[in-house]
Amino acid sequence: AQSVTQLDSQVPVFEEAPVELRCNYSSSVSVYLFWYVQYPNQGLQLLLKYLSGSTLVKGINGFEAEFNKSQTSFHLRKPSVHISDTAEYFCAAYNQGGKLIFGQGTELSVKP
Amino acid sequence: SQTIHQWPATLVQPVGSPLSLECTVEGTSNPNLYWYRQAAGRGLQLLFYSVGIGQISSEVPQNLSASRPQDRQFILSSKKLLLSDSGFYLCAWAELRSQETQYFGPGTRLLVL
Repeated sequence: AQSVTQLDSQVPVFEEAPVELRCNYSSSVSVYLFWYVQYPNQGLQLLLKYLSGSTLVKGINGFEAEFNKSQTSFHLRKPSVHISDTAEYFCAAYNQGGKLIFGQGTELSVKP
Repeated sequence: SQTIHQWPATLVQPVGSPLSLECTVEGTSNPNLYWYRQAAGRGLQLLFYSVGIGQISSEVPQNLSASRPQDRQFILSSKKLLLSDSGFYLCAWAELRSQETQYFGPGTRLLVL
């Protein structure tokens, strides 16, 4: 079955430290990949997406992600996090059937 | 620019009561529309999607239904709510020519007691 796996359910980090949120997808899933952010009691906001071209994708709020086809990964990174980055982050992949397959989410907690 | 609205923002309903959640999109035509449910501590589950007026596809069997009476209006309904229907309901839309990218509304928090 097609799947997206987020390897960490919770990631605690101190303010101004770098962070990486890991995401792997099954090779049968189409290589359209996305990261969304969800702040408490809000909808999902698109952070960035990979459709084709450069494997390093830059998004909003200083986030970036790298598509790695050989490792079937699409990890999200930020060099220096802020308290305001505290949120849940979802990785997703678009499959041939026209649906978004979501990972279970990673809760990023930034501490002062 | 495009915007998506959902209402109500929060709803508390007794078991067995009916439900109607509404989603509208502005600034685009003939979008794909989606209903998702997000249960506490879990990921997103696709419930329904629609590619046009009156065209509804159901992803999971349940006591919920969806309708699309107008191009940019998507409604989620139930005749009798169950406790298990509690959750956060998200509507999303996508452009017809770039269906892979979905944009989400602010959500409706439903608590069934």
